[in-house]
Amino acid sequence: DGGITQSPKYLFRKEGQNVTLSCEQNLNHDAMYWYRQDPGQGLRLIYYSQIVNDFQKGDIAEGYSVSREKKESFPLTVTSAQKNPTAFYLCASSMWDHHAGGSEAFFGQGTRLTVV
Amino acid sequence: AQSVTQLGSHVSVSEGALVLLRCNYSSSVPPYLFWYVQYPNQGLQLLLKYTTGATLVKGINGFEAEFKKSETSFHLTKPSAHMSDAAEYFCAVSANNAGKSTFGDGTTLTVKP
Repeated sequence: DGGITQSPKYLFRKEGQNVTLSCEQNLNHDAMYWYRQDPGQGLRLIYYSQIVNDFQKGDIAEGYSVSREKKESFPLTVTSAQKNPTAFYLCASSMWDHHAGGSEAFFGQGTRLTVV
Repeated sequence: AQSVTQLGSHVSVSEGALVLLRCNYSSSVPPYLFWYVQYPNQGLQLLLKYTTGATLVKGINGFEAEFKKSETSFHLTKPSAHMSDAAEYFCAVSANNAGKSTFGDGTTLTVKP
């Protein structure tokens, strides 16, 4: 079945540690996204990538880093510079149509990160 | 620039009653509009989308939405609420060739027996 897989589902991090969240898709989508979700704040865009080896900062990129070495994979690293990393992280992908306004996003099941 | 405003962070209805979740958007170009649903501790799932053509869009689980350009609105409705409709609902707009969507803050729907 095609879809997006995020792992792990739950992640605990000690203060000062970097952690990497995995996101893999087999939908053959060009674009991939990382969102952060906090209660009452909706989804905020961290980073997005339109093609392999290229990515752009979203609205809240500070303290995060990404890579896009393969079309299928878009891992997110939460660094120690992120002051408040406890949140629910969602990865998504979509088709990329330069002639259209956009297409719907397909989401993974999310990773809940907790700093202990 | 594009933005979305969802009016009402919490909506409560009785089972069998009409569901109305409000969404207004801002866009300088013709928008693509989406409604997503999220159940606790899960990702978002597409309910329906408007791209071009017919302004009344039907989605899954009996939901529908109407694109009203003059009102810059894309409200979500369902004639009769079911207990399983209790979830968080997000409206989103994509209105440029960057492809990425901007999401509203979400509306939590509670369905009372």
